[in-house]
Amino acid sequence: TQLLEQSPQFLSIQEGENLTVYCNSSSVFSSLQWYRQEPGEGPVLLVTVVTGGEVKKLKRLTFQFGDARKDSSLHITAAQPGDTGLYLCAGDPAGNMLTFGGGTRLMVKP
Amino acid sequence: DAGVIQSPRHEVTEMGQEVTLRCKPISGHNSLFWYRQTMMRGLELLIYFNNNVPIDDSGMPEDRFSAKMPNASFSTLKIQPSEPRDSAVYFCASRSALRNTEAFFGQGTRLTVV
Repeated sequence: TQLLEQSPQFLSIQEGENLTVYCNSSSVFSSLQWYRQEPGEGPVLLVTVVTGGEVKKLKRLTFQFGDARKDSSLHITAAQPGDTGLYLCAGDPAGNMLTFGGGTRLMVKP
Repeated sequence: DAGVIQSPRHEVTEMGQEVTLRCKPISGHNSLFWYRQTMMRGLELLIYFNNNVPIDDSGMPEDRFSAKMPNASFSTLKIQPSEPRDSAVYFCASRSALRNTEAFFGQGTRLTVV
């Protein structure tokens, strides 16, 4: 059982559609991070959310941290083929340890 | 800075052989992480170091795996003896000791044990 559960695991959509990816835990986190990974590369940080209820926007991507700081969501508006990749949420359960969710593999078809 | 550097990028070895993966973290980063990534299990944390000291190795699969960090600029992950089920991509990452900072990943080592 993973500390951070992501859903869905796989998502295949058409260009222009909207989507939401979820990251849930039964534990409270001081912050959560979202990373994006492309084939053959390591994950790269998209955003860090720190305050419960916080909403951050990065162009067409909107990130939200749950009020109780146990969950987060990533919403993409008008998805484009360039958004294709593996989206990972991550958090520090203790100390400076960094653990990841199982990931959501997104494919955006033109 | 060149980022986190891992070597080799690819490794193919026979079952039973010793494998050593290497990592050079970003200069000034206090924390170093080793992860293993597979389709089935995702990105698993194997071990992490703070200031060259191993803090949590509970993710290391078994005694065949060992990791060292002899100084702030170098770490190794060793598998001895290797088995086919160890085939995966192994990532090294580093970050500052400050909370909530970004973890920077290397490009990974793709290990195939035949």
